[in-house]
Amino acid sequence: DAGVTQSPTHLIKTRGQQVTLRCSPKSGHDTVSWYQQALGQGPQFIFQYYEEEERQRGNFPDRFSGHQFPNYSSELNVNALLLGDSALYLCASSLGGTGQYSNQPQHFGDGTRLSIL
Amino acid sequence: GQSLEQPSEVTAVEGAIVQINCTYQTSGFYGLSWYQQHDGGAPTFLSYNALDGLEETGRFSSFLSRSDSYGYLLLQELQMKDSASYFCAVRPANRDDKIIFGKGTRLHILP
Repeated sequence: DAGVTQSPTHLIKTRGQQVTLRCSPKSGHDTVSWYQQALGQGPQFIFQYYEEEERQRGNFPDRFSGHQFPNYSSELNVNALLLGDSALYLCASSLGGTGQYSNQPQHFGDGTRLSIL
Repeated sequence: GQSLEQPSEVTAVEGAIVQINCTYQTSGFYGLSWYQQHDGGAPTFLSYNALDGLEETGRFSSFLSRSDSYGYLLLQELQMKDSASYFCAVRPANRDDKIIFGKGTRLHILP
C-alpha cells in the first residue's frame, strides 16, 4: 500500500523562476492538501484540492497555484520565486467523501525541500 | 484570530513520562489532532480528540478540554526514538475552516 509520494525531494531555484512540485496521494485517498513548512515552524496550509477543484485556500498569494488530476494526483506551482519561498513543501492526502468538514487524519509525504538562491 | 500555543522545547529522561500542552484561541473547532515529525521526515498522525476526555493509543495519550481551551499529548515510557517535534492542529468550525497547526514542540530525550 503506497503512501503519499512527492517529487522531487530537493530542488534549487533562483529568484524569479517558476517551480512545479508533484504529489501522488495514498492509495484510496481523494483529497490533497499542500503545506509550506519553514524551518522550526509548523506547516502552513496553502490550499486543498478535492474533485479536481480548489476547495479551500490559505493566506498565500496568487503566485501559488495548483491542480488536481483525475487520478487524484496533484501539482503545486509557484511563480516568480522569492527568497522567502525557501521551505519544505508538504503534501497530505485524506478522504474527503464526508464533505468539507471531514476530520479524517491526513497522511503526509516526505516533502520537497525547495531552496531559492 | 485563531492560534495554537505550544512550548517550543521540552526535555525528559528515557523511561519517564512527559506532557506536551496545547492551548488554543478559536471560536470553535471540530477536534484536536497531534502529529509527530522527526528531523527530515514527514509529519505522522498520532491521535485525534473530537470530544473532551482522554484518548489512549499505546504509550501515547491525548486529552482535550474544550471548556478550558486546552489539550495535551502524554508520552509514557519514553524511548530515544521519541525525540522529535510534536504539533497540535485544529480545524476551526467556521467558514474559514482551514487546518491550523501549532509551531511545534521539540522533545529532547536524555539517556
